[in-house]
Amino acid sequence: GENVEQHPSTLSVQEGDSAVIKCTYSDSASNYFPWYKQELGKGPQLIIDIRSNVGEKKDQRIAVTLNKTAKHFSLHITETQPEDSAVYFCAASLLQGAQKLVFGQGTRLTINP
Amino acid sequence: GAVVSQHPSRVICKSGTSVKIECRSLDFQATTMFWYRQFPKKSLMLMATSNEGSKATYEQGVEKDKFLINHASLTLSTLTVTSAHPEDSSFYICSAAWGNRPEAFFGQGTRLTVV
Repeated sequence: GENVEQHPSTLSVQEGDSAVIKCTYSDSASNYFPWYKQELGKGPQLIIDIRSNVGEKKDQRIAVTLNKTAKHFSLHITETQPEDSAVYFCAASLLQGAQKLVFGQGTRLTINP
Repeated sequence: GAVVSQHPSRVICKSGTSVKIECRSLDFQATTMFWYRQFPKKSLMLMATSNEGSKATYEQGVEKDKFLINHASLTLSTLTVTSAHPEDSSFYICSAAWGNRPEAFFGQGTRLTVV
């Protein structure tokens, strides 16, 4: 089955700097890759996703890149703000229908003012 | 965006009792709902997948008689933890998806404490 590895487990950056979180997946059949943000005591919130037919997707300060050949994808947050502090999870799944997500281990991002 | 409401957000129960957690999709019809369990500082562990009107499919190692899942309508799924014990204390989260869309939207989670 699918396995998703996420790095780093913790990341601390200065406000205004960029943050990058990386994930690798094992199943070449996976073709849908969402990213979730989870604040303390809350459920995960979908912040951006990418499908395997594109290499990059951007939404304001957040971007995701996908390298299908290497089977890895990354989340990029630019101009970080204190409210970006949270745990971020990557996941992999199939596009066809509501397939179960396989999550990475999570990255605790701390933005230092 | 799609809204999923989970209730209650926190519950404390005594050992041996049962607890029901509700998951509702407020602005869409959830053909598929997922139930997860999350331990402190850990990732989400899928417990089961339920499709409306069908029996839930449980992940390996999850006791279906202990974690009863019902998905009787397109907007409501429930998870009942039966005969709860302290080791069942955890953060339980549902997510919902619809049709052939891959996006899944999560509820706020339920913190269960069994004393």
